[in-house]
Amino acid sequence: GDSVTQMEGPVTLSEEAFLTINCTYTATGYPSLFWYVQYPGEGLQLLLKATKADDKGSNKGFEATYRKETTSFHLEKGSVQVSDSAVYFCALTVNTGFQKLVFGTGTRLLVSP
Amino acid sequence: GAGVSQSPRYKVAKRGQDVALRCDPISGHVSLFWYQQALGQGPEFLTYFQNEAQLDKSGLPSDRFFAERPEGSVSTLKIQRTQQEDSAVYLCASSLELAETQYFGPGTRLLVL
Repeated sequence: GDSVTQMEGPVTLSEEAFLTINCTYTATGYPSLFWYVQYPGEGLQLLLKATKADDKGSNKGFEATYRKETTSFHLEKGSVQVSDSAVYFCALTVNTGFQKLVFGTGTRLLVSP
Repeated sequence: GAGVSQSPRYKVAKRGQDVALRCDPISGHVSLFWYQQALGQGPEFLTYFQNEAQLDKSGLPSDRFFAERPEGSVSTLKIQRTQQEDSAVYLCASSLELAETQYFGPGTRLLVL
């Protein structure tokens, strides 16, 4: 079935370091791809999305490119801040006629000053 | 404006008790989703409503789980005869239409003792 695999955490970085969180997927058809972020004590928030191959989603300095050939959607940021500390979830939507989200297990990011 | 709200935020139940979890979606949102998030895992789809119609309940783990949205707005997820494995965070999300971004509530953390 459809699934998402993302790198295990925690990912520990110093402020201003470069961030990559890997995400690969398995899906039938042509899914849309998402990154959601969960800050401590808050609900899931959509960070960025891409709906077709080679699309790049971007928001708040984060970027991810939909790579159909490698079935990947890696999240990157050039310079992380302490406030980026959160859990990041990669997800896809399945072609079921509605937008059912399938999530990865999440990657915790810890950024120290 | 108001986002998705859920109540209670925390619920402790004794094994065998029935619980009811409430979701207030964003006003006007047609689609409503319930997800279950076990500790350290990504959210998993439970069920989907379009207005008052429950169009998919394939993710409900057993017949002890029941969801309703009688007037197409507020939704309730009911769990009968709770078991320890039901302990999780229950997330509600809503969206304007089928293809729109899902907005998540803060979740209800259920602990079954």
